[in-house]
Amino acid sequence: GQQVMQIPQYQHVQEGEDFTTYCNSSTTLSNIQWYKQRPGGHPVFLIQLVKSGEVKKQKRLTFQFGEAKKNSSLHITATQTTDVGTYFCAGRISGGSYIPTFGRGTSLIVHP
Amino acid sequence: DTGVSQDPRHKITKRGQNVTFRCDPISEHNRLYWYRQTLGQGPEFLTYFQNEAQLEKSRLLSDRFSAERPKGSFSTLEIQRTEQGDSAMYLCASSPTASGTGEQYFGPGTRLTVT
Repeated sequence: GQQVMQIPQYQHVQEGEDFTTYCNSSTTLSNIQWYKQRPGGHPVFLIQLVKSGEVKKQKRLTFQFGEAKKNSSLHITATQTTDVGTYFCAGRISGGSYIPTFGRGTSLIVHP
Repeated sequence: DTGVSQDPRHKITKRGQNVTFRCDPISEHNRLYWYRQTLGQGPEFLTYFQNEAQLEKSRLLSDRFSAERPKGSFSTLEIQRTEQGDSAMYLCASSPTASGTGEQYFGPGTRLTVT
């Protein structure tokens, strides 16, 4: 079945350093979403990418969707302690189920 | 607060018992989803409703799991004859039909512990 792989599983950074998490699918995706889950909280939607090669920015966060629509990345510039949490990608397979498949997530730990 | 609500927030039960969880989606959302999440994993899809119709179920969902959304508003998820492997966070999410972003709004979850 379709798998969405996400790396790394954990990332420790010093406050102010950059952070990137990568998401890879075994099959072409129609779109990909990113969610953030704070410790003890629930996933909160960040963004959806649909077009091949699409890049979107939200303040210090930059989201990219690969040209082949099989991979995506989230980059955070100059991390802050408020960025702590687990970042999940969720991809919808082209021509397949409406339901997105979530990756395992990358837990970001920011040291002050 | 007009977000997604779930009840109870925590449930401890003994193996073999039945449990039922409730989800109240955002009122104008006609799509409702159930997920299960264990430590270190992403949300795992269980089932999906559009209004009162259950349109999709995960192949991983055993016969012990059943979900309903009788009037297209709130939904219940029942687990019969619980097993220790059912211990997890059960998340409900909702979305409107015509959502350009495909955003799902998650509730706070029900944490199930089977002893």
